[in-house]
Amino acid sequence: DTAVSQTPKYLVTQMGNDKSIKCEQNLGHDTMYWYKQDSKKFLKIMFSYNNKELIINETVPNRFSPKSPDKAHLNLHINSLELGDSAVYFCASSPTGNVFDEQYFGPGTRLTVT
Amino acid sequence: AQSVTQLDSQVPVFEEAPVELRCNYSSSVSVYLFWYVQYPNQGLQLLLKYLSGSTLVKGINGFEAEFNKSQTSFHLRKPSVHISDTAEYFCAVSDQGAQKLVFGQGTRLTINP
Repeated sequence: DTAVSQTPKYLVTQMGNDKSIKCEQNLGHDTMYWYKQDSKKFLKIMFSYNNKELIINETVPNRFSPKSPDKAHLNLHINSLELGDSAVYFCASSPTGNVFDEQYFGPGTRLTVT
Repeated sequence: AQSVTQLDSQVPVFEEAPVELRCNYSSSVSVYLFWYVQYPNQGLQLLLKYLSGSTLVKGINGFEAEFNKSQTSFHLRKPSVHISDTAEYFCAVSDQGAQKLVFGQGTRLTINP
C-alpha cells in the first residue's frame, strides 16, 4: 500500500498552460505539505495544511494555489506556467503537524515547462 | 532565522569504508535536527532525528549522528557503507516552536565497489 501518492509522476507542458498535481495520503495524518526541489536538489517548503486549514504559505507566487478537499488530499494547481516552475514537487504528510514529527514523502512529480 | 549548510555536495567512498556527511546549522534558539535520505527516483525518508537528550542519535540502516551544540553541527556517520547506501542525504533543522523544516542542499553519497 502506498502511503503518500502523487499523480502524475511526470508532467511536461508548455509555458502559459495551467496544470494540477494531486496528492493523497492513506496514513490518517492531519497535516500535508508541498515542497519544491529545484535542479540543484535544494528542497523548500511551499505550503502546509492541517485538517484542511492553511498553516504555512511561504513566499510563493500566487499562480500556485493549493486546495485541500479533505485531510487526506492536497492538490496543487499552477496557473500560467513559467520556465522557472520546472522542478520536482513533493507532497508529504505528518501525523499532527508538529515539526518534530516524521514527515512521509511521496515519490515526487517532475514538472518540465518548455 | 535558521539555516543549514551541508559542507560537501558529493562524497565518494569505497564499499565497506566509513563515511561522515557534514552538516552545520545556524539558529539563535534551541533546535530540532534531522537527516533524511532520498534514494534515486524516490521521495525522502527519515533516517534519524535529534529532539533532546543524548547527543548521539542512532537511526535506520546503521547510521548515527552526533549533535554538537558548541560547534552547531549534526554530522552523519556510518562505520561501513554498502552499495545500497548510494543516495542523496539531506540535513534539516527546525527552531523549537517553528512550524517548518529548513533543508540543506543535500550531499550525494556514491559508493564504489
